[in-house]
Amino acid sequence: EAAVTQSPRNKVAVTGGKVTLSCNQTNNHNNMYWYRQDTGHGLRLIHYSYGAGSTEKGDIPDGYKASRPSQENFSLILELATPSQTSVYFCASGDGTPNSDYTFGSGTRLLVI
Amino acid sequence: GDSVTQKQGQVTLSEDDFLFINCTYSTTTYPTLFWYVQYPGQGPQLLLKVTTANNKGISRGFEATYDKGTTSFHLQKASVQESDSAVYFCALVDNYAQGLTFGLGTRVSVFP
Repeated sequence: EAAVTQSPRNKVAVTGGKVTLSCNQTNNHNNMYWYRQDTGHGLRLIHYSYGAGSTEKGDIPDGYKASRPSQENFSLILELATPSQTSVYFCASGDGTPNSDYTFGSGTRLLVI
Repeated sequence: GDSVTQKQGQVTLSEDDFLFINCTYSTTTYPTLFWYVQYPGQGPQLLLKVTTANNKGISRGFEATYDKGTTSFHLQKASVQESDSAVYFCALVDNYAQGLTFGLGTRVSVFP
């Protein structure tokens, strides 16, 4: 069954440390997305990708980098984690067409202390 | 830019009550409109999607009509069950490469 899988499920990081969140999709979708979810803000787009080798800034990219080494994998990188990046992060995939469905992973809960 | 507004942060109902969640949107084009549902500890799941104005989407007893005139996409269900308790997000896609724009979500709690 096609799916979006995120790892880790939970992560505790120290301020100033580097954090990498991983996402793998088996939908064969060209486009992948990283969102964060915070109370009072809903889901906000951080970075997205059109395909292997491409990354684009979303609405709130500051403090985050992204990497898309292959069609299946899309990573979100926090080079210097801060407590304000404590959140739940969701990865999603879509085929980039008007009729696309967007499939989400189960999320990564990140706590930066 | 694009935006989606859900005015109700929380809705509390009893089983068999009628559910109505308000959603309005703002965009310069004719977007595809979605309702997603999120259960605790899970990612958002697609509930229904409508690509064409004046069409209705129906899924699992929920329905929503794409109203281009009022730029609305309200969600309703005639008779809710406790299992419908979740957070519901209205969303749109305008630029199909750039993904979804979400409303803030409405938490629905249904009590037996």
